[in-house]
Amino acid sequence: LAKTTQPISMDSYEGQEVNITCSHNNIATNDYITWYQQFPSQGPRFIIQGYKTKVTNEVASLFIPADRKSSTLSLPRVSLSDTAVYYCLVGANYQLIWGAGTKLIIKP
Amino acid sequence: KAGVTQTPRYLIKTRGQQVTLSCSPISGHRSVSWYQQTPGQGLQFLFEYFSETQRNKGNFPGRFSGRQFSNSRSEMNVSTLELGDSALYLCASSLVGLAGVGFFEQYFGPGTRLTVT
Repeated sequence: LAKTTQPISMDSYEGQEVNITCSHNNIATNDYITWYQQFPSQGPRFIIQGYKTKVTNEVASLFIPADRKSSTLSLPRVSLSDTAVYYCLVGANYQLIWGAGTKLIIKP
Repeated sequence: KAGVTQTPRYLIKTRGQQVTLSCSPISGHRSVSWYQQTPGQGLQFLFEYFSETQRNKGNFPGRFSGRQFSNSRSEMNVSTLELGDSALYLCASSLVGLAGVGFFEQYFGPGTRLTVT
């Protein structure tokens, strides 16, 4: 099973681009990479999911290199409301491994 | 569209008691998964129900059980509560569930905060 490793915490400033990297050395061929955002007293909220290369939606981009051993969530122009814990999830078909989460603090 | 709802939001129980938590998925979603979230262990998969059938179960003791009704609402039961069961219990619904490969998106409820004293 893939093991996921992500930084425990990060901080940045409003208006900056934030990149959070997740390492998953043992990723399997069928595994997808998913990122979730969680605010206090709420459940995780789906941000983005990808398999390879780059995926972009209205809130984030996900970069996955060719070897798929890591992935980077990119949040453009963050605001104070982006302060949350971000989880990397790797797997497929019930073999799902959640990262420990990265606490992102955005400062004014 | 209404989101996933969980009741109750907070619960305090005593060791040895049992508890039932409830989850109502998004309308049209047939898959409901349950997770336990603790500061030490993070998010851990408990089980998934799809069309009233348990499709998979995580590595939890038999004290943790669940069921799903014909309207897709799900309940989770924990018997003989232990102090270590104190956690945030999250329910997630999805259209296709966790089986198979390919894209899947889960929608989580706000969770039930269970405290065992």
